[in-house]
Amino acid sequence: GAVVSQHPSWVICKSGTSVKIECRSLDFQATTMFWYRQFPKQSLMLMATSNEGSKATYEQGVEKDKFLINHASLTLSTLTVTSAHPEDSSFYICSAAGTSGSTLRGQYFGPGTRLTVT
Amino acid sequence: GQQLNQSPQSMFIQEGEDVSMNCTSSSIFNTWLWYKQDPGEGPVLLIALYKAGELTSNGRLTAQFGITRKDSFLNISASIPSDVGIYFCAGQLSGGYQKVTFGTGTKLQVIP
Repeated sequence: GAVVSQHPSWVICKSGTSVKIECRSLDFQATTMFWYRQFPKQSLMLMATSNEGSKATYEQGVEKDKFLINHASLTLSTLTVTSAHPEDSSFYICSAAGTSGSTLRGQYFGPGTRLTVT
Repeated sequence: GQQLNQSPQSMFIQEGEDVSMNCTSSSIFNTWLWYKQDPGEGPVLLIALYKAGELTSNGRLTAQFGITRKDSFLNISASIPSDVGIYFCAGQLSGGYQKVTFGTGTKLQVIP
């Protein structure tokens, strides 16, 4: 149980275009999902917290107009990188936490999406 | 902001040896988590600790939640080649749907 998927697993796009990344909890419902970014040889840095049916909460320094997050259902959150630039190239990872009262504890991570902007 | 420092940063060990790594925080966490990340993949939860002083095992892995709530350690016994990867500690202030703060990571390499 507690499987989280991401799509696509990797994507290459041209500078100035937008890219959408999907995060799905496959066998449980997730009220809250999180989006992280990881640069090479670095740790995971939280970008934003996404709650189903409400606006995402962004960490300091993360541009909410550039990284659009939508959490339309209890099993799907999307991250759209708008007007991508080469410095946005990174490994984007989502995680999902079970709903309140769930027997699941902790967060479960997706396999990540490698974004390369040329 | 909260910082989690892990030591050592990297380590080479011989297959069969035991491994120990630490994580210290500048502030208190109420939940400590240990993850392993393989190259190009997301982190996988190894052990979760919910109470100060708690000692929990998962196979060859043992982790403890420090009594001060500002530190944790992870031990791996009888290492095998597939233990290779980056180990991250992580802290949460409370339950599963609170954000996780990750440590700096410990890269483990096992020599067969």
